[in-house]
Amino acid sequence: KQEVTQIPAALSVPEGENLVLNCSFTDSAIYNLQWFRQDPGKGLTSLLLIQSSQREQTSGRLNASLDKSSGRSTLYIAASQPGDSATYLCAAPYNAGNMLTFGGGTRLMVKP
Amino acid sequence: DGGITQSPKYLFRKEGQNVTLSCEQNLNHDAMYWYRQDPGQGLRLIYYSQIVNDFQKGDIAEGYSVSREKKESFPLTVTSAQKNPTAFYLCASAKQGEITEAFFGQGTRLTVV
Repeated sequence: KQEVTQIPAALSVPEGENLVLNCSFTDSAIYNLQWFRQDPGKGLTSLLLIQSSQREQTSGRLNASLDKSSGRSTLYIAASQPGDSATYLCAAPYNAGNMLTFGGGTRLMVKP
Repeated sequence: DGGITQSPKYLFRKEGQNVTLSCEQNLNHDAMYWYRQDPGQGLRLIYYSQIVNDFQKGDIAEGYSVSREKKESFPLTVTSAQKNPTAFYLCASAKQGEITEAFFGQGTRLTVV
């Protein structure tokens, strides 16, 4: 069964910093990995989906990488802004039904 | 606009009562999922359905029931057998296939009173 871990659990940075969020998974036989953002009391917003055939995926200031062999994915946020403050979750599927296993999330605070 | 709609946003349940959470999608997705989120924790899978009239238990199905009579709808019932139902419930949907992106609703917060 898939297990997903996210480090760090919480992160506080000043505005403008570049930062990296880490995600590790135990079963490397995945077709894709997805990163989400969750604001307090809200649902999940899909940020990036990385297919197993890709190594990187970019959307604006966000860049996600995937290394299946090492069981790791990273989410890079460039020039962080206070509006980036949220919890970031990564999720990997664990069988053909594409049920997602989630990490515990990284709670990010960007201070003005 | 296409998307997933969950209702109600807030729900209060008395002891011994069954309550039903609604989830509707107009994305024409075959697969639908219910997750539970507890404070400070990740999401855990309750039930999922890959096709109409079929559904499977997830990791924490005890005390919950679902139905999938229509492609667009996947309601979740929290029964009195669920001893600790206070949580944030999230519904998701996705296309079938190996490479598929999941989309989530805005959640229902259930509180036992």
